[in-house]
Order: sequence, then structure tokens, then C-alpha cells
Amino acid sequence: AQSVSQHNHHVILSEAASLELGCNYSYGGTVNLFWYVQYPGQHLQLLLKYFSGDPLVKGIKGFEAEFIKSKFSFNLRKPSVQWSDTAEYFCAVIIYGGATNKLIFGTGTLLAVQP
Amino acid sequence: DGGITQSPKYLFRKEGQNVTLSCEQNLNHDAMYWYRQDPGQGLRLIYYSQIVNDFQKGDIAEGYSVSREKKESFPLTVTSAQKNPTAFYLCASSASGGYTDTQYFGPGTRLTVL
Repeated sequence: AQSVSQHNHHVILSEAASLELGCNYSYGGTVNLFWYVQYPGQHLQLLLKYFSGDPLVKGIKGFEAEFIKSKFSFNLRKPSVQWSDTAEYFCAVIIYGGATNKLIFGTGTLLAVQP
Repeated sequence: DGGITQSPKYLFRKEGQNVTLSCEQNLNHDAMYWYRQDPGQGLRLIYYSQIVNDFQKGDIAEGYSVSREKKESFPLTVTSAQKNPTAFYLCASSASGGYTDTQYFGPGTRLTVL
């Protein structure tokens, strides 16, 4: 079965540190890729997405992600985190050719940024 | 102000009772979805609907039911058959249900079974 793996369940960083959150998916065909973020007490919201074209995509709040097809990965990065980046981050995948456009989520990574 | 609303924000229910969670969207989206979020498990799809009067089971549909009588509304009923209903429930919608769609989420309803 197709799945999405986020290997870092909890990450604690100090402000100004660099961030990289891993995301790997298990499907050899065409996929669309997403990162969602859930700030404390807020809606789940879209951070960035990749459909096609340049594999390095930029999202809101200085986040970016790189799609590496050969590694089945879509890691999220930010060069310098802020306290306000404390949130839970979810990687998600839509698989082409499936019965539906089902969004498959990873288990999430809880990021805590210490001031 | 366009968006997705879910009510109530918190819901308590006794074991053996059915309960219905509301989801309304004014984005004119065709597709709507229900997810369940549990700690350490991410989001799992319960039901989805790509068009009015049609819906499909997701990965964990057992113990749940839905209806889609209106484009803007997709209520979820958690029945007494659901063995572990305490969770955070998220509703989402997308324009057409296609592969390039982005799903937009509501604020969620936290259900606690006492």
C-alpha cells in the first residue's frame, strides 16, 4: 500500500537554527506533493505544493521543499527558524492513477522552536 | 469571507449515542472530505464526496456515515458502531476533486466520548 513517512516525530530547535524535515513516499508513479502546517489552535493550512516543473518549490514564511524523484523524497527546509514556526508539519501525497485523488498524509512532525 | 466552517468546536457524547458533525463550505467547491486526526497517526480519510449525492468510503469508514444533499454541506455521523470515536475530525474541500487540486481544511471538531 502507498504510504508517506516522516521520520522525525519531534524536533526541537533554537531560533535561527536551520530546519530540514524529511518526507518519503512509497510509490513509483506520478505524484503531487504537499506540505501542510498546523499552528497551535489554528486550521491546517497549505505551506507549499509541487505538481511539476522546478523541483525546488518555495512556500509561505520562507519555507521551501525539494522534490527528488530518485529518492522518493520531498524534504522541507527553512534556513533560519523563528519561535513562530512552532507547529506540527504534515507531508502529503496525491497519487495519479488511483481510484480517487486521495490525499495520503504522513504522521506529522512536531516542531518546537525555543526562543 | 470564504472558507470552511465546522461545528461544534468541542463535542461530548456518551457511549452508545450517535452524533453528527457539521461541515459547511462557501467556496463553491465540488469535492469535500472528512479526515480523522489522532496523535502520532497523521490524518486518515474517512469519507469523501466529489459531487452532490455521491460519496465514497475512505480508509477508515467503518462506524461512520455521511450525506451530500447540498453542494455546500457534508455532515458526518459518528455512530455507536465506531469503536474508538474520540478524536479530532477535520473537514476539507477542493475545487473539483482532481489530482492537481489543493484541499482546504476547516478548524476541526474535537469529539470526546465519555
